[in-house]
Amino acid sequence: AQSVSQHNHHVILSEAASLELGCNYSYGGTVNLFWYVQYPGQHLQLLLKYFSGDPLVKGIKGFEAEFIKSKFSFNLRKPSVQWSDTAEYFCAGGTTYKYIFGTGTRLKVLA
Amino acid sequence: DAGITQSPRHKVTETGTPVTLRCHQTENHRYMYWYRQDPGHGLRLIHYSYGVKDTDKGEVSDGYSVSRSKTEDFLLTLESATSSQTSVYFCAISGSTSGAQGSPLHFGNGTRLTVT
Repeated sequence: AQSVSQHNHHVILSEAASLELGCNYSYGGTVNLFWYVQYPGQHLQLLLKYFSGDPLVKGIKGFEAEFIKSKFSFNLRKPSVQWSDTAEYFCAGGTTYKYIFGTGTRLKVLA
Repeated sequence: DAGITQSPRHKVTETGTPVTLRCHQTENHRYMYWYRQDPGHGLRLIHYSYGVKDTDKGEVSDGYSVSRSKTEDFLLTLESATSSQTSVYFCAISGSTSGAQGSPLHFGNGTRLTVT
């Protein structure tokens, strides 16, 4: 069955620390992958997307993600987090137009 | 932000009553989705639509039905609401006017539904 899994449910970091959130997917064939962010009380916003091509994808707010096909992974990274990055992060994937989300990772950044 | 309006934004209803949530888009996108968000479960796909009158089930479709009679409107109906359907419901849209596949989802602001 198609699935998307996120390993870290809660992450606490200090400002300026580096961030890496794990995401693994289980799909056959071509897969579209996304990372979304949800700030408290708000809807989900797209951080970055991967459809094909360069496996290193850069998104908004300094985030990037690397698609590693051999590991079925699409981990999100940021070199130096800020207090304003406190939010919940969701990985999503799918083929064509049907997308499945992971359970999310709550990130808290301490000032 | 994408032109997506969900209504109502908040609703409290009693067990056993029917409830309809509405999603309206002004982007002329082909694909529309209903997700529910619950702590520890992330977002789970309820139903989606790939065109007018074309819908399909998602991961958690039991107890829900949908209809899409116009490109811009996608309705989610709980035929007989239960307490387990207390959740935040998000509508999303995807795709260009040409129906390109692989487009990201854009979300509405959500509807908080409480079933007592």
